[in-house]
Amino acid sequence: DVKVTQSSRYLVKRTGEKVFLECVQDMDHENMFWYRQDPGLGLRLIYFSYDVKMKEKGDIPEGYSVSREKKERFSLILESASTNQTSMYLCASSFRTGRYNEQFFGPGTRLTVL
Amino acid sequence: GQQLNQSPQSMFIQEGEDVSMNCTSSSIFNTWLWYKQEPGEGPVLLIALYKAGELTSNGRLTAQFGITRKDSFLNISASIPSDVGIYFCAGWTSGTYKYIFGTGTRLKVLA
Repeated sequence: DVKVTQSSRYLVKRTGEKVFLECVQDMDHENMFWYRQDPGLGLRLIYFSYDVKMKEKGDIPEGYSVSREKKERFSLILESASTNQTSMYLCASSFRTGRYNEQFFGPGTRLTVL
Repeated sequence: GQQLNQSPQSMFIQEGEDVSMNCTSSSIFNTWLWYKQEPGEGPVLLIALYKAGELTSNGRLTAQFGITRKDSFLNISASIPSDVGIYFCAGWTSGTYKYIFGTGTRLKVLA
């Protein structure tokens, strides 16, 4: 059974705090993604990684950074959290090549920044 | 970022009715994916489609990859209360890493 897990389901942080969101997948996927989901705006890609230590900016990378030290783990970092980063954060993973391009999502982390 | 046109935006139906929704794009895709998302949860993959014209079923769900490769359809037969949620599509093109997502269809089932 495919599995993407995220370290927290709910987080409450204060403005200016450094926030780490962790994601782990057990499917040996090369690609990992971080999205945020907001009402009316849909899913927006923050960052993408296609291999260990490799990363690409998505559509809205400002205010975020990422780390991928191991194939199965992809971390999203908010260097200095702001209230406009209150959102649902979703991690996802997929194979890089081949016929099967299913993307699997984690359960999400609801982040509130006060 | 780009979003796919998905319709209808929302549906209120009676239990037992069939449901149809679709996604359209101005670009062609190599893969179409259909997801269901329940409140406070991450999207769950329902069906994946890889070839133009392909028709795939998963229980009461049936999805089709449009012949033009620019659209896809999802049908749910004999709806039940636990079908409630937001359904959305995603398209992927070979040579890219990005998945393009639909705007979502909110489904409510009245018992």
